[in-house]
Amino acid sequence: KNEVEQSPQNLTAQEGEFITINCSYSVGISALHWLQQHPGGGIVSLFMLSSGKKKHGRLIATINIQEKHSSLHITASHPRDSAVYICAVPSNTGNQFYFGTGTSLTVIP
Amino acid sequence: DGGITQSPKYLFRKEGQNVTLSCEQNLNHDAMYWYRQDPGQGLRLIYYSQIVNDFQKGDIAEGYSVSREKKESFPLTVTSAQKNPTAFYLCASSMMKNTEAFFGQGTRLTVV
Repeated sequence: KNEVEQSPQNLTAQEGEFITINCSYSVGISALHWLQQHPGGGIVSLFMLSSGKKKHGRLIATINIQEKHSSLHITASHPRDSAVYICAVPSNTGNQFYFGTGTSLTVIP
Repeated sequence: DGGITQSPKYLFRKEGQNVTLSCEQNLNHDAMYWYRQDPGQGLRLIYYSQIVNDFQKGDIAEGYSVSREKKESFPLTVTSAQKNPTAFYLCASSMMKNTEAFFGQGTRLTVV
């Protein structure tokens, strides 16, 4: 059983479209992380959130602690947004993080 | 600025050679972690350390070794015993209760 489930696995969008990536988790958490991994592998931390909503530029992350669900939204998507997006949550014991398998996003011009 | 630094970003080694990946943080975080990612798969835990001079094996520790001599540093050695070392390696650090965590940019290791 995976502690973290992401959907969709793959996503192709036209430039300008609104994009939503979902993350569901089964453990109780203190915070959830959204990461971006570009081709070539480098990881960038996008958000860490424990409640409500955070916004950074065209990216918005929301979390519902009761439903154990988080979403990452991208408004006015652009080809440079093409990447793999990964959500991560800490284990209850604090000895590791659980990662989703990632959502591979391709934005077509 | 505080952060976590992995180096190098890309690393090439010949088969049979040990190689050490660096991970340094200046966030005063207690816990540090090493993960491995294979194509099309999620990140899997190799080792973690919650205090200096102590570390624990994760799910896929075979063929790897670590040390935690300083709070700031958690180097990972990929030994010749690791059968498939080519992968993406990610280091992370956090406070003990995981209320704050930072992730390195990763090291892509290719063994030829």
